[in-house]
Amino acid sequence: AQSVTQLGSHVSVSEGALVLLRCNYSSSVPPYLFWYVQYPNQGLQLLLKYTSAATLVKGINGFEAEFKKSETSFHLTKPSAHMSDAAEYFCAVSERSQGNLIFGKGTKLSVKP
Amino acid sequence: DAGITQSPRYKITETGRQVTLMCHQTWSHSYMFWYRQDLGHGLRLIYYSAAADITDKGEVPDGYVVSRSKTENFPLTLESATRSQTSVYFCASIRDTGELFFGEGSRLTVL
Repeated sequence: AQSVTQLGSHVSVSEGALVLLRCNYSSSVPPYLFWYVQYPNQGLQLLLKYTSAATLVKGINGFEAEFKKSETSFHLTKPSAHMSDAAEYFCAVSERSQGNLIFGKGTKLSVKP
Repeated sequence: DAGITQSPRYKITETGRQVTLMCHQTWSHSYMFWYRQDLGHGLRLIYYSAAADITDKGEVPDGYVVSRSKTENFPLTLESATRSQTSVYFCASIRDTGELFFGEGSRLTVL
């Protein structure tokens, strides 16, 4: 069965600092992996996705994530945080290209001036 | 504009009443989903549909009913609302490349 674990329900960084949001997954087959962002009172928007083409995936707004099979991880990073990055971030896994996505519980990112 | 539209965006109802949340997509995606979002639980799948007239249960289907007579519509009905169904509900559809697209959510409060 698939599952996703996001380490840390809240992460706080200073503006300009590195952002690192952790995601570990469990899947019995090569997974499809996603990161979504949710701003207050809005739906989720896709940040980036991994579909086996390249292990380092670049997304929107300067975010990227690296797929590490040996660690079953798909951590999200951004070199320099911006105030506008404050939001909740969800990691998700699927075993099929059009299958149901299993979501982690989310990590709320705060950015301090 | 193309996308997913949910209605109503906000709804307050009483225990025992029937409530229907509407979802409409303009892309003709085959797969559609209903999730609920609650603090501490993230998003949990209620029901999904692979095509018109094909629906299946997700992780938390109890107390909910869905139908899909047309590809573009996927309404979610709470037959007899309970306080535990107070939540934010998200409808989504999926592209053939695997990305989910979400509506803006329907915030339901059951008193």
